[in-house]
Amino acid sequence: TQLLEQSPQFLSIQEGENLTVYCNSSSVFSSLQWYRQEPGEGPVLLVTVVTGGEVKKLKRLTFQFGDARKDSSLHITAAQPGDTGLYLCAGRINNAGNMLTFGGGTRLMVKP
Amino acid sequence: DADVTQTPRNRITKTGKRIMLECSQTKGHDRMYWYRQDPGLGLRLIYYSFDVKDINKGEISDGYSVSRQAQAKFSLSLESAIPNQTALYFCATSEGTRNTEAFFGQGTRLTVV
Repeated sequence: TQLLEQSPQFLSIQEGENLTVYCNSSSVFSSLQWYRQEPGEGPVLLVTVVTGGEVKKLKRLTFQFGDARKDSSLHITAAQPGDTGLYLCAGRINNAGNMLTFGGGTRLMVKP
Repeated sequence: DADVTQTPRNRITKTGKRIMLECSQTKGHDRMYWYRQDPGLGLRLIYYSFDVKDINKGEISDGYSVSRQAQAKFSLSLESAIPNQTALYFCATSEGTRNTEAFFGQGTRLTVV
């Protein structure tokens, strides 16, 4: 089992719909990041959240860090075909090295 | 030019062959990482290096080795490739500060037949 569980694994929606992607764990994270990856490219950082309960907005994307810093969500309003891609959450735990641990990813397809 | 460059981008090799994947960066970061990506499993850490003299095993280091030739260069070797090492491999760099962003290369798609 993975330290960070993402759901759903796949999501196919029509343009204009709203969606939420979840990232859950039983571990506490010092921070959590969301990355987006397009075919043939490496992941690119969207946001970092560090405080329990923190909410950050990036245009139509809203990111929330759980109060207990064990989970996070990504909500997209009025999805566009350009939002298509693989969304990855990644968390850091306060231990030696403070390494990033990735979730399994959510593959989103937004149809015109 | 990309900040993190991986070569080759694609490689097909035979079982038992030795193969090296190379990574170079112009970010000036001390920390470099090698990840492996498989469908549904996200990215899993193979090895990481905090400076030229520091090499550490990650979550899935068996069957892999690395070399940090300089601050800007970090290579990954498969001494004797096997089919279940077929995957997408990513090199990444970051600063040493907390909650820092990881910068990824474009990936190397490796197929072992």
